[in-house]
Amino acid sequence: EAEVAQSPRYKITEKSQAVAFWCDPISGHATLYWYRQILGQGPELLVQFQDESVVDDSQLPKDRFSAERLKGVDSTLKIQPAELGDSAMYLCASSLRLVSYNEQFFGPGTRLTVL
Amino acid sequence: AQKITQTQPGMFVQEKEAVTLDCTYDTSDQSYGLFWYKQPSSGEMIFLIYQGSYDEQNATEGRYSLNFQKARKSANLVISASQLGDSAMYFCAMREQSAGGTSYGKLTFGQGTILTVHP
Repeated sequence: EAEVAQSPRYKITEKSQAVAFWCDPISGHATLYWYRQILGQGPELLVQFQDESVVDDSQLPKDRFSAERLKGVDSTLKIQPAELGDSAMYLCASSLRLVSYNEQFFGPGTRLTVL
Repeated sequence: AQKITQTQPGMFVQEKEAVTLDCTYDTSDQSYGLFWYKQPSSGEMIFLIYQGSYDEQNATEGRYSLNFQKARKSANLVISASQLGDSAMYFCAMREQSAGGTSYGKLTFGQGTILTVHP
């Protein structure tokens, strides 16, 4: 069964360090999403790609976060420098197309702890 | 303004009984989609059920059904015959159509409801 892959599953870093997360969507899925989920809350969208183009990054803290999907397949989310408040679960999701009825399939997430 | 409201922080149910998880939403769009996801303690988000705003029938997927009341803007999840493995966090989410008519696909999630199934 096709799945969204994410790595690493867990990451512990110190504040001011750089961290990077990787996501490989389900093959053939054109749309890729990065969400951040703070403990006890629902996920919030950080950035959305359609193929290699950014569709929505209005909630991405651009002074420290960056995301890319160079070939329209896998994607990397980077934080530099990490802050204590960045501790959260980072979830990647993909969907077949950019239409409202397409379900989003989520990866297992990367749990980030910033010390 | 909060677009998705889940008023039940926690719910308890006896194994084999049915349980309803509440969800209300706010949108001015005519076209939108409503989703329910399950998140076990391991962290992955598992898609359960989808309801489109123009769907006249309530969605059903196995033991899951969605009680869609459009005029009340509610989309409650009903789990029948609860199982111990149903214990998890449940999120209601909405995807709206953009003003330009192209859905950007962004899901807006509620705060979630923790469901505990007792044996």
